[in-house]
Amino acid sequence: SQKIEQNSEALNIQEGKTATLTCNYTNYSPAYLQWYRQDPGRGPVFLLLIRENEKEKRKERLKVTFDTTLKQSLFHITASQPADSATYLCALDAGAGGYNKLIFGAGTRLAVHP
Amino acid sequence: DAGVIQSPRHEVTEMGQEVTLRCKPISGHNSLFWYRQTMMRGLELLIYFNNNVPIDDSGMPEDRFSAKMPNASFSTLKIQPSEPRDSAVYFCASSLTSGGAETQYFGPGTRLLVL
Repeated sequence: SQKIEQNSEALNIQEGKTATLTCNYTNYSPAYLQWYRQDPGRGPVFLLLIRENEKEKRKERLKVTFDTTLKQSLFHITASQPADSATYLCALDAGAGGYNKLIFGAGTRLAVHP
Repeated sequence: DAGVIQSPRHEVTEMGQEVTLRCKPISGHNSLFWYRQTMMRGLELLIYFNNNVPIDDSGMPEDRFSAKMPNASFSTLKIQPSEPRDSAVYFCASSLTSGGAETQYFGPGTRLLVL
């Protein structure tokens, strides 16, 4: 069956360290994968997109990798700050009928402590 | 830009009542999505509209749920009759086009509680 898995437990790290979040999937062949941030009581906000032919994408302190062989994406936040505390969702292209249908993982809650 | 607007932000109702959730997508976006988020099932796509036409409603749980998009700037999601298991946060999202790899912009959500 098709599955998207993210770390189910919260990730607690110290300010200044690098946070690494994992997204694994099975029985999908996504053309791209997106990462969103969700704060409590708010809707998800887009962060980064990486395509299947890209190994790595960066935006400021954020870095995403995409390994289609391992069926895994890693999301890194370097020099983390307490303001980075949020839930991070990975979403992959479900390849449905040519439109941007996204299937979301359950999310990983990140807590950055001062 | 006001972003995606949803109303109401919170809704408490009793089982059996009709509930109507509203969404105004970002101006110029031609794709609209309704999602439901719960702790148990995460964020699930309910229905997708392109140019006001429902394209994919495979995620709509049952006949009690219906969605309309009468024009490019307004969509509704209706639950009739509502049940306690419908309690969730409902999000509306829009994107510029329906092409692949388009970013989706989410509204703030409607938190629904059915007693």
